[in-house]
Amino acid sequence: VQVEQSGSEVKKPGSSVKVSCKTSGGTINSYALIWVRQAPGKGLEWMGGIMPIFDRANYAQRFQGRIKITADESTNTGHMELGSLRSEDTAVYFCAIASKLSDCGVTRCQYDTLDTWGLGTMVTVSS
Amino acid sequence: ALAQPASVSGSPGQSITLSCTGSSSDIGGHDYVSWYQQHPGQVPQLLIYDVNLRPSGVSHRFSGSKSGDTASLTISGLQAEDEADYYCCSYAGDNILVFGGGTKLTVL
Repeated sequence: VQVEQSGSEVKKPGSSVKVSCKTSGGTINSYALIWVRQAPGKGLEWMGGIMPIFDRANYAQRFQGRIKITADESTNTGHMELGSLRSEDTAVYFCAIASKLSDCGVTRCQYDTLDTWGLGTMVTVSS
Repeated sequence: ALAQPASVSGSPGQSITLSCTGSSSDIGGHDYVSWYQQHPGQVPQLLIYDVNLRPSGVSHRFSGSKSGDTASLTISGLQAEDEADYYCCSYAGDNILVFGGGTKLTVL
């Protein structure tokens, strides 16, 4: 499976950004799409993920209320929208696939391993 | 976030162990620790998953373990190409993941 992300973005503080990742070589319903960001010179930060087969997303608490992760099965594409942008949101945003799913129930499977990563999308927030 | 030493260094051929300390909510409570290698300007690559499993294509020089709330990554036969940043990641329940701050490995 491969992941292709959308291009870099420059946004004003207070605005929103929507980053996309198109997957190929597999069906989006067979894995989870995870979003991780990395500020310049900093470490990796998990933002949230979605299981397209259940259309169910979960988010890191610190982004609750201003993040939305979605997936479009028809185009094998995932999206991450982050609102109320501030300068601290300047980062590379990675989309990653978690193909190892376990403990599947009616509404979710567990994901815990990010095995394929996109090249990242640079988002710059500046006035 | 999980606690990792900011930097470690080693000489070629040496074995080195990177630590990653969490809590009973993450590392101590789940056997789902993964490690990622990131060279400067590049994308993170999966090295270890489920504490001690290697994906196909990853060198046997990389191994993982866990004891209590601390996970470890051991690199044996250190090589110049191993110089990179290393991140641990743990499952923390309910499809929540937590990363460590990363360790910069320098090969002397």
